[in-house]
Amino acid sequence: EAGVTQSPRYAVLQEGQAVSFWCDPISGHDTLYWYQQPRDQGPQLLVYFRDEAVIDNSQLPSDRFSAVRPKGTNSTLKIQSAKQGDTATYLCASSFGDSNERLFFGHGTKLSVL
Amino acid sequence: GQQVQQSPASLVLQEGENAELQCNFSTSLNSMQWFYQRPEGSLVSLFYNPSGTKQSGRLTSTTVIKERRSSLHISSSQITDSGTYLCAMFRNNNNRIFFGDGTQLVVKP
Repeated sequence: EAGVTQSPRYAVLQEGQAVSFWCDPISGHDTLYWYQQPRDQGPQLLVYFRDEAVIDNSQLPSDRFSAVRPKGTNSTLKIQSAKQGDTATYLCASSFGDSNERLFFGHGTKLSVL
Repeated sequence: GQQVQQSPASLVLQEGENAELQCNFSTSLNSMQWFYQRPEGSLVSLFYNPSGTKQSGRLTSTTVIKERRSSLHISSSQITDSGTYLCAMFRNNNNRIFFGDGTQLVVKP
């Protein structure tokens, strides 16, 4: 079974530039998560979806970040105007069902904002 | 405040030594999961461990939900065990999953 796929693997931007991250979850997984992991910290939830619906985006900086999952499968996370503080690894994860189901992660996208 | 506390923050071992990593939760939880994060960043699930003890090779995870804690024991450590070990907590009433900041393990020859 294919795992969670993310692209690109790396991104380097100047401040003010935009970037999009793409995630393809495990087939059949209805719940999809985006996490931000700054250096030397644990992953921090940005947003998660159940099918195409946003369940919790309270930690997503809404002025510059947006996330969609239009068909309940693939998802895109976009940063409109990147800042140096956005430098981190962006991880996508998926699971099936309710909160007791185990989580599977992609390789992540390492973002550097100069 | 931090809902998931991991200790120690870092650990250096000689190859062959054992390690005990701890994870403590500040609130009630449904379940938890241990991950290994490779130096290049990808996360590998080690244990999905709602409660009790599970073993896989040299790794043993013990979770006591009532006491809000979990431990990961690594026996006879190897150089390839080096990396970051993360624990994650599954809350009772939603899909929000909280991570600790990890234990960075270095195993030296």
